Amino acid sequence: QVHLVQSGPEVKKPGASVKVSCKASGYTFTSYGISWVRQAPGQGLEWMGWISDDSVNTKNAQKFQGRIAMTTDTSTSTAYMELRSLRSDDTAVYYCARGSSADYWGQGTLVTVSS
Amino acid sequence: QSVLTQPPSASGTPGQRVTISCSGSSSNIGSNIVNWYQQLPGTAPKLLIHTNNQRPSGVPDRFSGSKSGTSASLAISGLQSEDEADYYCAVWDDSLNGQVFGGGTKLTAL
Repeated sequence: QVHLVQSGPEVKKPGASVKVSCKASGYTFTSYGISWVRQAPGQGLEWMGWISDDSVNTKNAQKFQGRIAMTTDTSTSTAYMELRSLRSDDTAVYYCARGSSADYWGQGTLVTVSS
Repeated sequence: QSVLTQPPSASGTPGQRVTISCSGSSSNIGSNIVNWYQQLPGTAPKLLIHTNNQRPSGVPDRFSGSKSGTSASLAISGLQSEDEADYYCAVWDDSLNGQVFGGGTKLTAL
């Protein structure tokens, strides 16, 4: 069965960077892209971006332009999302999901940004 | 403020049919497929409906989706207490060149 297992919670100071990992299993990693979605406390879902199955193409929401980097390591079936120049309003649970349709989701990674 | 408009809340009694709307525009719902997600309290979202009206394996047929013009709807028939959750519509927006989610609808079984 498909599983996406994400890295553990992070606490970061404003201005720092965070890198969240998402290890996939139960399917052919290179056949699907990975989407990244976040959810601030008590808020709705916010699409951050997507990396293609061949890891060549990425798309991201305009608000994250210049601050987000999405990569994959096919040797370990792991996707990564790095967010730079963190602010307090980046405090959220970050999710990875399989493909552009996000048919399977990771368990989420809480990133807290606080001085 | 999302480009997709959902009612913030919906409710129904057990056994009732409930619908949740998702209103968009020609650049999103009007030209692309709609997905719906269910998020139970404290859990990750789950794909409930894809490609406007298709249920993934394992999703009960009580859940159905439809799309007309620039609006989409999720219908839940025979409402059950375990259906209490937040529901989100999602679609690609050609103008924004990105995926967008509705603001979410909190469903309560009275």
